[in-house]
Amino acid sequence: GEDVEQSLFLSVREGDSSVINCTYTDSSSTYLYWYKQEPGAGLQLLTYIFSNMDMKQDQRLTVLLNKKDKHLSLRIADTQTGDSAIYFCAESITDDKIIFGKGTRLHILP
Amino acid sequence: DAGVIQSPRHEVTEMGQEVTLRCKPISGHDYLFWYRQTMMRGLELLIYFNNNVPIDDSGMPEDRFSAKMPNASFSTLKIQPSEPRDSAVYFCASSLWTSESSTDTQYFGPGTRLTVL
Repeated sequence: GEDVEQSLFLSVREGDSSVINCTYTDSSSTYLYWYKQEPGAGLQLLTYIFSNMDMKQDQRLTVLLNKKDKHLSLRIADTQTGDSAIYFCAESITDDKIIFGKGTRLHILP
Repeated sequence: DAGVIQSPRHEVTEMGQEVTLRCKPISGHDYLFWYRQTMMRGLELLIYFNNNVPIDDSGMPEDRFSAKMPNASFSTLKIQPSEPRDSAVYFCASSLWTSESSTDTQYFGPGTRLTVL
């Protein structure tokens, strides 16, 4: 079946890099996404990667895709207090179906 | 509760026409969100309201898009004039923020599939 899994919590010291991992099951997914949800706010699309790519970098964000292992990761360099949020991994199966993980809560330690 | 209700479920219109999408949030919820979903960009947040007041509309793509929330139980998203590139599934979601909970679960409606010819 279709499933997206990610760990529920991650604690990182301010200034360190955060790496949030995600695994998915459907090998036919075409796009994979990372969303950020801050308290009291909606889901914000952070970045996405097409399934034929293995890396995408956007400022402090680096997305790595291992299609063989169906593993996606999001690295946030120089983590700041403003990065504290819930991060959702998602994959698109068809043009009207996106499967979300349960979200990883990123906690920043001083 | 019936959950978040959206209407219509499907809308097919011609380019240049006005389109109005409707949403009824879950009773008692104080946040309402409008999202647009396409294959290329996934789920995009367009605008959200807190207690009927628009908080962040930075996701609204153009002036052709407007959203209102005249009361706590009803919101509209209007596109005027519509264009073929507006074709997407539009989701409405609602949530209740409480200080006791450090997370606010969003409840999504079934979506409106819009096709602009």
